[in-house]
Amino acid sequence: EAQLVESGGGLIKPGGSLRLSCAASGFSFRDVWMTWVRQAPGKGLEWVGRIKRKTDGATTDYAAAVKGRFSISRDDSKNTLYVQMNSLKVEDTAVYYCTTGWTDAFEMWGQGTMVTVSS
Amino acid sequence: DIVMTQSPDSLAVSLGERATINCKSSQSVLKSSSNKNCLAWYQQKPGQPPKLIYWASTRESGVPDRFSGSGSGTDFTLTISSLQAEDVAVYYCQQCHSTPFTFGQGTKLEIK
Repeated sequence: EAQLVESGGGLIKPGGSLRLSCAASGFSFRDVWMTWVRQAPGKGLEWVGRIKRKTDGATTDYAAAVKGRFSISRDDSKNTLYVQMNSLKVEDTAVYYCTTGWTDAFEMWGQGTMVTVSS
Repeated sequence: DIVMTQSPDSLAVSLGERATINCKSSQSVLKSSSNKNCLAWYQQKPGQPPKLIYWASTRESGVPDRFSGSGSGTDFTLTISSLQAEDVAVYYCQQCHSTPFTFGQGTKLEIK
């Protein structure tokens, strides 16, 4: 069964750093583009950024709110997606989901990992 | 950035009645490469991740046929023909035409 499992969330002080992971299984991870989406408590969905597959250059795109602070990477040998989050702000508090699909839409989602930025 | 605006923000419908959610994009989401409107609809229930229910006018496998999507260019609609209790959720539209792949603000659907 194909699945995505996020980990690495927690409580972090403003200005701190955190790295989230997303472990993929049950499908060919190297063949898909991967995306991070977040959801602040009680709020809507916000696209964070994506990384293309290696054959498409493994290039990344980011939302303006995180550009320069977040860095998405992937390790196809470990079937794992990452997001390195630096200079965290209170407004980065959210559940972070990794997601992917075989079309332009997001057919598969993880259960999410909670990141709380608070002093 | 493409701005996605949903209406209404919340909606209460009686069981068995029709529910209609609208989504408007600030510019066309028609992808020339595929000639498809890159517009997706997601359903999110409390405590769960979003679930893709409709993409480019195609209902996802396993989604009941009471769900239907329509529209093109900048105006789209998700319709639930006969509301069931299990359809209570927040619904989001999302454009996948160009990054950032923006979402609408969500429409909360409840039972009247």
